[in-house]
Amino acid sequence: KQEVTQIPAALSVPEGENLVLNCSFTDSAIYNLQWFRQDPGKGLTSLLLIQSSQREQTSGRLNASLDKSSGRSTLYIAASQPGDSATYLCAALEGGSARQLTFGSGTQLTVLP
Amino acid sequence: EAGVAQSPRYKIIEKRQSVAFWCNPISGHATLYWYQQILGQGPKLLIQFQNNGVVDDSQLPKDRFSAERLKGVDSTLKIQPAKLEDSAVYLCATRVNTGELFFGEGSRLTVL
Repeated sequence: KQEVTQIPAALSVPEGENLVLNCSFTDSAIYNLQWFRQDPGKGLTSLLLIQSSQREQTSGRLNASLDKSSGRSTLYIAASQPGDSATYLCAALEGGSARQLTFGSGTQLTVLP
Repeated sequence: EAGVAQSPRYKIIEKRQSVAFWCNPISGHATLYWYQQILGQGPKLLIQFQNNGVVDDSQLPKDRFSAERLKGVDSTLKIQPAKLEDSAVYLCATRVNTGELFFGEGSRLTVL
């Protein structure tokens, strides 16, 4: 059974700092890995999707990498802003016909002005 | 393109009462998921549909939870009777062929 872990559970950084959020998964037979952002009281917004054959994806100040062999993904946020404050979740979609999606517990990010 | 619509956004009920949540997915998205998210935790899968067929309901507490997806479009999730521990946000999501998921805003349930 896939298990997804995110460390740290919470992170506080000053504005302008570059930061890395970590995601690890136990079963490397994934179809893709997706990063989401969740604001308080809101649903999940998709940030980046990395297919199993890809190593990284970039969108603006965000860069996500995937290393299937080590069971790890990272989300890099450049030049952080207070508006980046939110909970960031990663989710691994398994291969095969079932395609179950397993989430981590998230990293709560606070960017201080 | 319209997003995933969910209703109601908020619901407060007393324990042992029943509640139903509704999800209207993005048009053409065959795969639909219901997740339960308890405060401070990641979403936990309750049930997965492919069109109107159930793919995975192994984590659905079937003694009190039920879900259906008629005609492979809209879906409803029902809880009867509700318990205090059912207080959570219920998220509906749909998936495209690339594997990307799109979520609704969620339905926040408080059981008193």
